[in-house]
Amino acid sequence: QKEVEQNSGPLSVPEGAIASLNCTYSDRVSQSFFWYRQYSGKSPELIMSIYSNGDKEDGRFTAQLNKASQYVSLLIRDSQPSDSATYLCAPNDKIIFGKGTRLHILP
Amino acid sequence: GAVVSQHPSRVICKSGTSVKIECRSLDFQATTMFWYRQFPKQSLMLMATSNEGSKATYEQGVEKDKFLINHASLTLSTLTVTSAHPEDSSFYICSAGPRQGYEQYFGPGTRLTVT
Repeated sequence: QKEVEQNSGPLSVPEGAIASLNCTYSDRVSQSFFWYRQYSGKSPELIMSIYSNGDKEDGRFTAQLNKASQYVSLLIRDSQPSDSATYLCAPNDKIIFGKGTRLHILP
Repeated sequence: GAVVSQHPSRVICKSGTSVKIECRSLDFQATTMFWYRQFPKQSLMLMATSNEGSKATYEQGVEKDKFLINHASLTLSTLTVTSAHPEDSSFYICSAGPRQGYEQYFGPGTRLTVT
């Protein structure tokens, strides 16, 4: 069973600060990763894809992938209350999600 | 990004009846679609993998005779909850992607309430 681990939170971050979300995985075969955001009562939406080691930036979001360490992270700069949600990470070959990390941005 | 739709968005039915939920990929073809169920404050639970032109693959513990899946075309998969009971009340979500093994796009979900 492939596993992805995330801190379930809640992670509380002041508005305007950087939110850092982390994900570790056990399967070295996974080649790419995706971050999804799920608001309460809604379905998940894809916010970032990362396919190679290093950083990928998209607006306020930066995904970081380190395959050697089997670690992927998502940084959210200038956090906004609208960023409050549950964030799920998933490798490309895994369609089973964990509980994700609940992020709460404090106004 | 790719668009996945679901219909209906919300349904209330009486115990013992059947409910059909449709999942459509609007701007891409999908040989594989996934069906999830999510109870309040719980994680997404994969129920089954829907394969176009062949039988669905069900996850352990999911009754295939209760949750009928039909993937009749490359853009449509349906989930039928047969003889629904109150414990089937949940949020049902489908997903699909234009490239197998890559990013998935989720439908908006169907909230089922069985009375």
